[in-house]
Amino acid sequence: DQQVKQNSPSLSVQEGRISILNCDYTNSMFDYFLWYKKYPAEGPTFLISISSIKDKNEDGRFTVFLNKSAKHLSLHIVPSQPGDSAVYFCAASALLGGSARQLTFGSGTQLTVLP
Amino acid sequence: GAVVSQHPSWVICKSGTSVKIECRSLDFQATTMFWYRQFPKQSLMLMATSNEGSKATHEQGVEKDKFLINHASLTLSTLTVTSAHPEDSSFYICSARGGWRQGPGEQYFGPGTRLTVT
Repeated sequence: DQQVKQNSPSLSVQEGRISILNCDYTNSMFDYFLWYKKYPAEGPTFLISISSIKDKNEDGRFTVFLNKSAKHLSLHIVPSQPGDSAVYFCAASALLGGSARQLTFGSGTQLTVLP
Repeated sequence: GAVVSQHPSWVICKSGTSVKIECRSLDFQATTMFWYRQFPKQSLMLMATSNEGSKATHEQGVEKDKFLINHASLTLSTLTVTSAHPEDSSFYICSARGGWRQGPGEQYFGPGTRLTVT
């Protein structure tokens, strides 16, 4: 049972336009959500996060929106640049026993920004 | 800051042999380290979580005697794939938590190790 889903395996966007990557989750215990960017043969790098008490978090060209009632979050990149081309993973975190936290990842979306 | 390294970055071994992968936090103390496995075009699957000085917790379906994890210090965790078989060929990634600037759930990832078992 996939608790975090990214239903679009790939997305192509023209340079300068907006990229919107979507993510859905099923576990209502998740209270922190993160986006990671990954290049081939490299580990993921942290991009942006949002707490469940917020509905929006912005950092430069990157904005994450959270709709708790719909259990949906999205990452907006504007303007998109060719260097943004990578696989984007949505991840969710819930507080387990004590202070332990693990990440549950979606399957990723390959973003290609065309020059 | 918050750099995690892995060694080796790429290894080929023969079926039946064991392979050790190291994960180091270079500029912070990692109280918790995680090991993931990624198959081509798939998500990162958590294999195990280890806290410094205690036994690792393996996820359901991950054999603890096959994937041995040691977290002997606050900067080093090792994953040993014992009696490797071709189906163990994969991309193994470690991550670490412990930096004071990290948000809840945030992890710093190593660059990964590509294991090929022939």
